[in-house]
Amino acid sequence: AQSVTQPDIHITVSEGASLELRCNYSYGATPYLFWYVQSPGQGLQLLLKYFSGDTLVQGIKGFEAEFKRSQSSFNLRKPSVHWSDAAEYFCAVATYGGSQGNLIFGKGTKLSVKP
Amino acid sequence: GAGVSQSPRYKVAKRGQDVALRCDPISGHVSLFWYQQALGQGPEFLTYFQNEAQLDKSGLPSDRFFAERPEGSVSTLKIQRTQKEDSAVYLCASSPSPRDSGGQPQHFGDGTRLSIL
Repeated sequence: AQSVTQPDIHITVSEGASLELRCNYSYGATPYLFWYVQSPGQGLQLLLKYFSGDTLVQGIKGFEAEFKRSQSSFNLRKPSVHWSDAAEYFCAVATYGGSQGNLIFGKGTKLSVKP
Repeated sequence: GAGVSQSPRYKVAKRGQDVALRCDPISGHVSLFWYQQALGQGPEFLTYFQNEAQLDKSGLPSDRFFAERPEGSVSTLKIQRTQKEDSAVYLCASSPSPRDSGGQPQHFGDGTRLSIL
């Protein structure tokens, strides 16, 4: 069965520092991959997605993610974190076709930003 | 509206009561999903509609959960005889194409936070 693992439950970084959030997935073929962000009391906002092609994808708010097939990973990065980036981040996978188009989410990584 | 709208934002009910949660998707979106997000967890799939047809209800945890989308737009998730374990945030998402068209991004509402006392 497909699954998504986000190994870090909580990460704290200083404002201006770089950020990398880890995501590993389990699936037999190349899935569709997504990163969503959730601020307290709000729904999920799409940051970026990977379907095919260039393995480095750019998203909104200065985020990027790199798909590495050999490592089954899709890590999210940002070169310089802003205080407004404090939120919870979810990696998700959707599989191809038919009844498997639902999103499968990881448990999330909560990001705190120190001034 | 421009986005997915859910109401109410917060709902408190006593154990055993029935509740109804509403989702108004983005206009014209074919696909509509319901997810349940327990505290400290990622969202988990409940059910899927393509227009008015409920094509997948494999994630509904029990027969107390029922969803409908009678005219292919607004959807209602109903929970009968609520239990404490039903306390969660219920998220609705929509996307413009059918689910099996390939990885279409889903647009989420802000959710309904349900608390069962």
